[in-house]
Amino acid sequence: EDQVTQSPEALRLQEGESSSLNCSYTVSGLRGLFWYRQDPGKGPEFLFTLYSAGEEKEKERLKATLTKKESFLHITAPKPEDSATYLCAVHWSGGNEKLTFGTGTRLTIIP
Amino acid sequence: NAGVTQTPKFQVLKTGQSMTLQCAQDMNHNSMYWYRQDPGMGLRLIYYSASEGTTDKGEVPNGYNVSRLNKREFSLRLESAAPSQTSVYFCASSVLREKLFFGSGTQLSVL
Repeated sequence: EDQVTQSPEALRLQEGESSSLNCSYTVSGLRGLFWYRQDPGKGPEFLFTLYSAGEEKEKERLKATLTKKESFLHITAPKPEDSATYLCAVHWSGGNEKLTFGTGTRLTIIP
Repeated sequence: NAGVTQTPKFQVLKTGQSMTLQCAQDMNHNSMYWYRQDPGMGLRLIYYSASEGTTDKGEVPNGYNVSRLNKREFSLRLESAAPSQTSVYFCASSVLREKLFFGSGTQLSVL
């Protein structure tokens, strides 16, 4: 049973076309939800941590939000350099030390 | 400012061969991790070390061993490689559990 599900698997947008990526989770006792960006051939790079429902974080064209069952990564007026795979992960009370990662959304921004 | 350094970047093994993946971090982090990333499965934790001198199993430890050599270095050993261990391996380190800093990965193929 998947505990962290990301959708869509892939998304192609025109430059400037805003959209949202979804991360839904079924774990109980959420301690934190994290977004990472991964470029091809590289390791994931930390973006945001969200701890409680209603919390929002922003960085440049990205804004992450959290509810009790899901998180959204909103991308506003994206540029080609925003193309990457975006991963979410959860830290929960039953997970001990580990983060549970989703499989990611591969985002492509077309110039 | 190296961050997390992994070696080698690429490796091809024959079934039954052994090898050690090396990881070093220069950020004075206490915790270090080994993940594997497979298509459609997300990042999965193999082993982690919460501090120098301690190691614990993650989600998929079978077929692997680790050594926390000192605070900086955390190695992953495959004693008898199997085709199922073909994957991309990432080392990571952190001060706080959620904000992980990843290396650039090792692409391993076992024939």
